[in-house]
Amino acid sequence: AQTVTQSQPEMSVQEAETVTLSCTYDTSESDYYLFWYKQPPSRQMILVIRQEAYKQQNATENRFSVNFQKAAKSFSLKISDSQLGDAAMYFCAYRSSMEYGNKLVFGAGTILRVKS
Amino acid sequence: DTGVSQNPRHKITKRGQNVTFRCDPISEHNRLYWYRQTLGQGPEFLTYFQNEAQLEKSRLLSDRFSAERPKGSFSTLEIQRTEQGDSAMYLCASSPIWGGPYGYTFGSGTRLTVV
Repeated sequence: AQTVTQSQPEMSVQEAETVTLSCTYDTSESDYYLFWYKQPPSRQMILVIRQEAYKQQNATENRFSVNFQKAAKSFSLKISDSQLGDAAMYFCAYRSSMEYGNKLVFGAGTILRVKS
Repeated sequence: DTGVSQNPRHKITKRGQNVTFRCDPISEHNRLYWYRQTLGQGPEFLTYFQNEAQLEKSRLLSDRFSAERPKGSFSTLEIQRTEQGDSAMYLCASSPIWGGPYGYTFGSGTRLTVV
């Protein structure tokens, strides 16, 4: 079974600075998808960024980018020019491309605090 | 379409009571998922439907839990004889059947507190 590990329970960043959230995963599969989700307090979880494992190029979405290291099974999220609205719980998630159901395996999450 | 809707947002119940939650997915999404999220943890998969068929259930889904999706539209999750350990956020999500690299659309969740 696949597992996802987020080793940083909590991170802090100064507004306008850059922060990196770590994620490692364990799988025997070669083709899969990785996601970062943001869950603001009392609000719904939204997709921040996704990465297909077969793509070598790291995904980028505006101020959000990932560092995908397939051999190391590492998938970190970099947030540049941090804003107060970035404060939330961030979850790393894995999805197999082999399983039919598309279910996600989540890490335990990292709370990101943004200081003004 | 206003996204995935879950009701109620909060539910407080006494131990031993039955509770039912409802999820209305995005109308064109064939797949509907239920996850449970306990405090300080990531969501854990409970079950999913493709149209009206329940195709997979996690071992987390004890026999006190039952989920339905009649006619492949909304879904309900019922917990019978609630226990304090059932206290959690119950998340619903939906996705198109073809999946691909796309994530889900999540609802805002139902927070259950069993006292």
